[in-house]
Amino acid sequence: EAAVTQSPRNKVAVTGGKVTLSCNQTNNHNNMYWYRQDTGHGLRLIHYSYGAGSTEKGDIPDGYKASRPSQENFSLILELATPSQTSVYFCASGRDRTSAETLYFGSGTRLTVL
Amino acid sequence: QQNVQQSPESLIVPEGARTSLNCTFSDSASQYFWWYRQHSGKAPKALMSIFSNGEKEEGRFTIHLNKASLHFSLHIRDSQPSDSALYLCAVNTGANTGKLTFGHGTILRVHP
Repeated sequence: EAAVTQSPRNKVAVTGGKVTLSCNQTNNHNNMYWYRQDTGHGLRLIHYSYGAGSTEKGDIPDGYKASRPSQENFSLILELATPSQTSVYFCASGRDRTSAETLYFGSGTRLTVL
Repeated sequence: QQNVQQSPESLIVPEGARTSLNCTFSDSASQYFWWYRQHSGKAPKALMSIFSNGEKEEGRFTIHLNKASLHFSLHIRDSQPSDSALYLCAVNTGANTGKLTFGHGTILRVHP
């Protein structure tokens, strides 16, 4: 089974603080994704990457940055956290760009911004 | 921009019932159609996919796809309490982007 690991599992941050969410995959997949999940909104794409050194903006990138330093690791960075960024964040990996392959999700990070 | 809508928002059915979940999409050029299932507090996990018009069956689960109607559905035969979860449909956005657009989800509860 493909493995995607997120850390931390839970995070409480203060408004205006910097938050970094981390994701590691051992699937050797080229693509990695960051989604957020809010009640009534399903999964919304924030940033994604096609490989080390590449990041692309998703549908809701404002207020977020992403970093892909290696094939295995993909980080989501909130430079100035706001209460509206309170959510559950999921990282996922996928083999290629066709969307014909399964996405594998991590267990999620629950972020609360006070 | 892909727009994916699901119905109903929630559903309660008795054990053993047949359950139907619906998904519509806006981009007629879409090629890849997925259902993901997410149990409470867990990660979403791929359930089934379909890539051409028609029907595909895997055990108790069947997907129907009608591209002309911009609609696909998931049918669960003999629903079990373990099927209780959030069901998310997803459709590819653009060609060769690796991006999926998800619907808002349908919460299914199967009571014994």
